[in-house]
Amino acid sequence: QQQVKQSPQSLIVQKGGISIINCAYENTAFDYFPWYQQFPGKGPALLIAIRPDVSEKKEGRFTISFNKSAKQFSLHIMDSQPGDSATYFCAASDSNYQLIWGAGTKLIIKP
Amino acid sequence: DAGVIQSPRHEVTEMGQEVTLRCKPISGHNSLFWYRQTMMRGLELLIYFNNNVPIDDSGMPEDRFSAKMPNASFSTLKIQPSEPRDSAVYFCASSSQTGHTEAFFGQGTRLTVV
Repeated sequence: QQQVKQSPQSLIVQKGGISIINCAYENTAFDYFPWYQQFPGKGPALLIAIRPDVSEKKEGRFTISFNKSAKQFSLHIMDSQPGDSATYFCAASDSNYQLIWGAGTKLIIKP
Repeated sequence: DAGVIQSPRHEVTEMGQEVTLRCKPISGHNSLFWYRQTMMRGLELLIYFNNNVPIDDSGMPEDRFSAKMPNASFSTLKIQPSEPRDSAVYFCASSSQTGHTEAFFGQGTRLTVV
């Protein structure tokens, strides 16, 4: 019930393409869904986050799509660039402090 | 703002030695988290402080691990005695809100216990 399932584990996308990473959850009490980006040797950096009262949030080339009924959310990276190559983590939190992390997706953008 | 500052960036120590990791959260943030990251287990929450008070330390692996937050601008994670299986990257994160909303991570301390 507390798990957040993330897929795919790894993803290779051509430069300029769209990268899509998916996450699914079970706990309907979750009300905060952030995405973190992590480069090698660095800490996770908050990329974008959404709450369940909206179905989509866009910040630049990054968009979160949220489907409350399906209990799924996804990250879309438009016009993917080599600099986007990193590991991406989805996560979910309820009104408590706990943040449940996905397993991560290693994204490689081929030039 | 300089962000969350952790020290040291790298630590190599011998099994049995005491290790102390340090964290300076972002000024004004009242929530602080210590995480451990390994390839096998991913990101694990070790302990959560709110307003300098430990709220949940259920993620601390065993009694060899201890964490303190003597004031709003400083926290330590101590491992005594250290073991090879403690080798990991340890992250500190802070947030201006209760819980993980808008949490910012430090660069991490890569600990190697030989």
